[in-house]
Amino acid sequence: EVQLVQSGAEVKKPGESLKISCKGSGYSFTTYWIGWVRQMPGKGLEWMGIINPGDSDTRYSPSFQGQVTISADKSISTAHLQWISLKASDTAMYYCASAIGYRSAWSYWGQGTLVTVSS
Amino acid sequence: QSALTQPASLSGSPGQSITISCTGTSSDVGAYNYVSWYQQHPGKAPKLMIYDVSNRPSGVSNRFSGSKSGNTASLTISGLQAEDEADYYCTSFTSSGTYVFGTGTQVTVL
Repeated sequence: EVQLVQSGAEVKKPGESLKISCKGSGYSFTTYWIGWVRQMPGKGLEWMGIINPGDSDTRYSPSFQGQVTISADKSISTAHLQWISLKASDTAMYYCASAIGYRSAWSYWGQGTLVTVSS
Repeated sequence: QSALTQPASLSGSPGQSITISCTGTSSDVGAYNYVSWYQQHPGKAPKLMIYDVSNRPSGVSNRFSGSKSGNTASLTISGLQAEDEADYYCTSFTSSGTYVFGTGTQVTVL
């Protein structure tokens, strides 16, 4: 069974660092792109960036370039989304998604990781 | 890279049809046939409903259909049912090699 399983909810203070994860199973992890999506409370979906786990080719949406780091460790079939210094405005649900079986459509999604940043 | 433009909300009675538009530019929707649509119920992850403009993944009802003309893509839901009440988002591949979402449309079944 294909699954993307994300790490659990996080509560952090402004200025702290954070790395959340998305573990793929049931498919060839290095074959399909993985993307990260932000959904702020009560708002729409926003693409943050995508990564090819096979060669680590990473592309960031302009709004997120320099704000986060996307990486993948193919040895453990896991993608990561990382912040160096969180802000209150980073409070959101974060989803990973994979284009499994498709050239350019996001067919499988993780369950989401809720990140709350508050002093 | 601006979000694709969708109507904020649409509504219809059971059995009716509604069409959600998704307007982009010649650098995204107009340039590629890589437009897909997602359904999101409250508190849930998005679900792929249409890919490559007009194709349905296995298991998605044939009441959902997609099309594109120029810089505007559309999702039509025919025979509206209560379970179709959700938020819908389009997304397109862009000339910068990334993706952009639409602003989202809240569909209400009256």
